Amino acid sequence: GENVEQHPSTLSVQEGDSAVIKCTYSDSASNYFPWYKQELGKGPQLIIDIRSNVGEKKDQRIAVTLNKTAKHFSLHITETQPEDSAVYFCAAMGGGGSYIPTFGRGTSLIVHP
Amino acid sequence: DAGVIQSPRHEVTEMGQEVTLRCKPISGHNSLFWYRQTMMRGLELLIYFNNNVPIDDSGMPEDRFSAKMPNASFSTLKIQPSEPRDSAVYFCASSLPPVNTEAFFGQGTRLTVV
Repeated sequence: GENVEQHPSTLSVQEGDSAVIKCTYSDSASNYFPWYKQELGKGPQLIIDIRSNVGEKKDQRIAVTLNKTAKHFSLHITETQPEDSAVYFCAAMGGGGSYIPTFGRGTSLIVHP
Repeated sequence: DAGVIQSPRHEVTEMGQEVTLRCKPISGHNSLFWYRQTMMRGLELLIYFNNNVPIDDSGMPEDRFSAKMPNASFSTLKIQPSEPRDSAVYFCASSLPPVNTEAFFGQGTRLTVV
């Protein structure tokens, strides 16, 4: 099955700095890579996703990059704000026609004002 | 749509008691997942239903855990008997592959077994 590794487990930045979270996956057949944000006391919510036919995708201050050859993908948040503080999860799915997302362990992002 | 609805939000029970967690997926979604979240293990998939049929239950910890989906709008996760190590946040999520592969999560049920 799929295995997703996520780093770092915690990330502390100053407001306005950039934050980068990296994930690797094991199944080369995976073709969909969503990123979720989980705020305290809530369930994870999708913030951005990328499919295997695209190398990069941007949405305002958030971007995701995908390197299929190396089997890794990253989340980039620019101009971080305190409200970006949350736990972020990467996931991979689609290998073998599977619709089950396999999640990374999560990154706790803290943005200091 | 109100999103995925889980109940209860919080549950405190004594060891040995039966616990039932409930989930109402988004209307029209045909895939449903139960996840368990702990600090030690992150988000673990417990079971995956497609069109009300359990497809993958390899993540169910042991026979004390069981899940059902009697119809497209309701699912339960039961733990009997409960143990302190079952304490965690349990999430239900639904999706509509292949049209939309995003998983929509409920607010979760925080279970504490004392």
